[in-house]
Amino acid sequence: SQKIEQNSEALNIQEGKTATLTCNYTNYSPAYLQWYRQDPGRGPVFLLLIRENEKEKRKERLKVTFDTTLKQSLFHITASQPADSATYLCALDMGNQGGKLIFGQGTELSVKP
Amino acid sequence: ETGVTQTPRHLVMGMTNKKSLKCEQHLGHNAMYWYKQSAKKPLELMFVYNFKEQTENNSVPSRFSPECPNSSHLFLHLHTLQPEDSALYLCASSPTPTTGKLFFGSGTQLSVL
Repeated sequence: SQKIEQNSEALNIQEGKTATLTCNYTNYSPAYLQWYRQDPGRGPVFLLLIRENEKEKRKERLKVTFDTTLKQSLFHITASQPADSATYLCALDMGNQGGKLIFGQGTELSVKP
Repeated sequence: ETGVTQTPRHLVMGMTNKKSLKCEQHLGHNAMYWYKQSAKKPLELMFVYNFKEQTENNSVPSRFSPECPNSSHLFLHLHTLQPEDSALYLCASSPTPTTGKLFFGSGTQLSVL
């Protein structure tokens, strides 16, 4: 079955630096890959979606890449701010599963002032 | 606010109790979902409803009973739960099951004693 691995360790970076989070998957490539942000005690909030035929997607300070050869997606936050501190989840959408997203366990990001 | 409201936010129940979780979405979406999030584990899909019809039951024990009276409301009826059922239960919606991104509620933090 499909498995997802995200950075298991929490990521601590200094304000202003670029945070890079990794999402690796096994087996076959998804039709879409999504990234969500989750704050403590809250539900995940959708950030970006990238399709299998797209290499890169940007939204303001966020950038997502998708490499189907490496079976990997990278999520970048440039000019990071303490308000970016949260857990970031990647999710695979195989495209034919009727809404069944497969989520990773998340990476906790902490941005220090 | 994401437009998806869950009540209650917190629930403590004994193993012999019966309780219900409620979810309401004001987004005009046709698909609704229940996810379970245990500590340090990925989100697990439990149920999917599309136009009030259940389209997915991810091998969920019968002590969890979903109900979808209309496209805007979703319930999760709980009875005879086990301590290992303690988790954050998240409701989500999307325009259709194949649309892509999910809109999550804030969840119900459930503790089973």
